[in-house]
Amino acid sequence: EPEVTQTPSHQVTQMGQEVILRCVPISNHLYFYWYRQILGQKVEFLVSFYNNEISEKSEIFDDQFSVERPDGSNFTLKIRSTKLEDSAMYFCASSISRDRDFENYGYTFGSGTRLTVV
Amino acid sequence: LAKTTQPISMDSYEGQEVNITCSHNNIATNDYITWYQQFPSQGPRFIIQGYKTKVTNEVASLFIPADRKSSTLSLPRVSLSDTAVYYCLVPGYSSASKIIFGSGTRLSIRP
Repeated sequence: EPEVTQTPSHQVTQMGQEVILRCVPISNHLYFYWYRQILGQKVEFLVSFYNNEISEKSEIFDDQFSVERPDGSNFTLKIRSTKLEDSAMYFCASSISRDRDFENYGYTFGSGTRLTVV
Repeated sequence: LAKTTQPISMDSYEGQEVNITCSHNNIATNDYITWYQQFPSQGPRFIIQGYKTKVTNEVASLFIPADRKSSTLSLPRVSLSDTAVYYCLVPGYSSASKIIFGSGTRLSIRP
């Protein structure tokens, strides 16, 4: 079964440092997403990406965040100056379609990167 | 987005059938109903999707009545490994670029 791969699985960084979280979506998928989950809380939408541009972003996704698909296979989330409250699990997801009539509308999520800001 | 309501938590025992009901009173004509499962420290996993009546796959069944204002996820003969959070989602046609997770139902299976 195809998988979404995320690296690293765990990242510890000092407050104020930049981090890049990496994802390899499923190869024939067209839509890419980042979500995060603070410990004990809901899975929160950050951003969706299609055709090399952001299609939608949440209020959480402010100027310290950016996404990129640098080489046609990787999909990255950069956090420019990390804060303590950025500590969370970050999940990448991809889907082949967002067409509501498409039989399999499911997203495939990666296993996540646990980011700890100290 | 259609708002969904589901129990915060449920407990059951190994070998039992578990039914988790979700209400979505303002579901739109084009909306599908989708369920995800999340194990601790893992990403959500798509398990089933349906539009009406009944859908069954190797993991679960999804029952949707004619008015589509609710749906029931049925897990047959659960095991300890089915302990997880289960999310009922009705993404909404106008918000096709993302899905929004609620709090889900925390299912605990006991021996």
